[in-house]
Amino acid sequence: AQSVTQLGSHVSVSEGALVLLRCNYSSSVPPYLFWYVQYPNQGLQLLLKYTTGATLVKGINGFEAEFKKSETSFHLTKPSAHMSDAAEYFCAVTLSGSARQLTFGSGTQLTVLP
Amino acid sequence: KAGVTQTPRYLIKTRGQQVTLSCSPISGHRSVSWYQQTPGQGLQFLFEYFSETQRNKGNFPGRFSGRQFSNSRSEMNVSTLELGDSALYLCASSQTGGVGNNEQFFGPGTRLTVL
Repeated sequence: AQSVTQLGSHVSVSEGALVLLRCNYSSSVPPYLFWYVQYPNQGLQLLLKYTTGATLVKGINGFEAEFKKSETSFHLTKPSAHMSDAAEYFCAVTLSGSARQLTFGSGTQLTVLP
Repeated sequence: KAGVTQTPRYLIKTRGQQVTLSCSPISGHRSVSWYQQTPGQGLQFLFEYFSETQRNKGNFPGRFSGRQFSNSRSEMNVSTLELGDSALYLCASSQTGGVGNNEQFFGPGTRLTVL
């Protein structure tokens, strides 16, 4: 079985500051890892994903994440926060390319202060 | 290309009633998955349909059911509603259903309130 833990249900940063959202996973096999963003009253949008290969993954809107097997982590970062980044962020895991479902973390609400 | 659409967007029901939610996937997508999102339990997988067959099911009681039509549109039904069924129900579609290899595109959700 796989699971995801997101540390910090709420994170606040100032506009222009570094964004760091933490995600740790538990998996018996090499996982596939994802970050999704959810804006109010909307569905989820994929930011980026790690499957195999390069451990530093770049996504949309300037976000990136690094897969660290030794730390079982997949933290999401963005060098400079923008007001439009305020949203809820979800880390998710699955076990294979053909897996039929995602297991989500509990989410982190990002607030960007002016 | 139109995105995933879900109808209705908002729904209010009372305990004991049943409800049907609808999801139209992106054109050409054959897999439809449903997730329940609540403040307490977060995002939980309900089930996945592909070519009118349920291929995977999450840990939900039998009151939750679904189906998929030949045009890939999907419906989910909840019978004998309970207060705890109040949630945002999200539908996601992908081309073949393998979520590691195929991006899932999510609809805006249906907000169900049970009174």
